[in-house]
Amino acid sequence: GQSLEQPSEVTAVEGAIVQINCTYQTSGFYGLSWYQQHDGGAPTFLSYNGLDGLEETGRFSSFLSRSDSYGYLLLQELQMKDSASYFCVSQRGATNKLIFGTGTLLAVQP
Amino acid sequence: DAGITQSPRHKVTETGTPVTLRCHQTENHRYMYWYRQDPGHGLRLIHYSYGVKDTDKGEVSDGYSVSRSKTEDFLLTLESATSSQTSVYFCAIGKESTNTEAFFGQGTRLTVV
Repeated sequence: GQSLEQPSEVTAVEGAIVQINCTYQTSGFYGLSWYQQHDGGAPTFLSYNGLDGLEETGRFSSFLSRSDSYGYLLLQELQMKDSASYFCVSQRGATNKLIFGTGTLLAVQP
Repeated sequence: DAGITQSPRHKVTETGTPVTLRCHQTENHRYMYWYRQDPGHGLRLIHYSYGVKDTDKGEVSDGYSVSRSKTEDFLLTLESATSSQTSVYFCAIGKESTNTEAFFGQGTRLTVV
């Protein structure tokens, strides 16, 4: 299988920190990416982890643990505009096959 | 904006008719992808390409075929459209295999009646 599992929904308040978890299957796994998609829009790239550890990009950070087949996206100082769907994406094989997770709908409340 | 264009943006077609969606890029990127997005299913990979004439199946390839005869164009064909293929279709392009940053088109909304 190639599935990636994420929580379906998360709710948080402005200014808070939220973590979105992702577990994946290891067959042919190369790395893990995260994408954001606003309602009615196209997905946009946020970050990539090819190695274990934390990658930080502004308010967003992403973490990968290959030994646990697990990653997460951390969003800090939440803003209303962060309300969107977030997808973890596994990179598989030398041909760069990209498989999306089930997606997490984040609702940021005032 | 990454130079990626999908056409058409909207289409209504009848069951049993063939349909071709086009993805065109001006970035000379190696990788191209076709996904469909349905409520409750996220984005599911249909087919992808890792070079001219090099394509492979994704998760939901039944009923779809693809063609990539030149770098800039990736065509998705529904040989005989069915109502279950009503969906939003996204094309994406990727340059490198080292960071998986893919750029998406604006999507094509296809309705099969």
